[in-house]
Amino acid sequence: AQSVTQLGSHVSVSEGALVLLRCNYSSSVPPYLFWYVQYPNQGLQLLLKYTSAATLVKGINGFEAEFKKSETSFHLTKPSAHMSDAAEYFCAVSDLWANMLTFGGGTRLMVKP
Amino acid sequence: DTGVSQDPRHKITKRGQNVTFRCDPISEHNRLYWYRQTLGQGPEFLTYFQNEAQLEKSRLLSNRFSAERPKGSFSTLEIQRTEQGDSAMYLCASSSSDGSYNEQFFGPGTRLTVL
Repeated sequence: AQSVTQLGSHVSVSEGALVLLRCNYSSSVPPYLFWYVQYPNQGLQLLLKYTSAATLVKGINGFEAEFKKSETSFHLTKPSAHMSDAAEYFCAVSDLWANMLTFGGGTRLMVKP
Repeated sequence: DTGVSQDPRHKITKRGQNVTFRCDPISEHNRLYWYRQTLGQGPEFLTYFQNEAQLEKSRLLSNRFSAERPKGSFSTLEIQRTEQGDSAMYLCASSSSDGSYNEQFFGPGTRLTVL
């Protein structure tokens, strides 16, 4: 069975500050890991994915994440927050066959001017 | 290049009524997934199809939920005898089974409100 835990349901940062959203996973098989962003009343948009290649993954909009097997973590970071980054972020895990995604509970990012 | 589309975007119904939602995947995608997202939670997997075959349906929430994909293109999700607890966003996603990984592309969702 696979599971995802996102620490912090709400994170608030100032514009220009570092963004760090935490994700820990549990998987009995080598995982594929993802970060999705969801803006209000919209579907999910893929930010980045880890599929067993490089452990540091770069995504869209300046986000990146590092896969750390020893810590079972896949935290999302961005060096400098922008107002447009305010949204809900979801970490997800799947198996090799990607028959389903298992999502964390989400983290709402708020960016203060 | 059109993405995944869902219809309707919003549905308000009374408890006990049946509702049906439609999903049109990206045209070249042979896999289609349904998820449910309740307020403040992450999406929860319900079922998926490869072509017209429903390969996983054990996660459907009850026997009031059913899904079809008769010709391997669009899919419908039906909820019979709706309950207030069915109020949620229903998301559809599609992917291709080609290649080493099947990235899922999501539609905008159908928001269901059961009164």
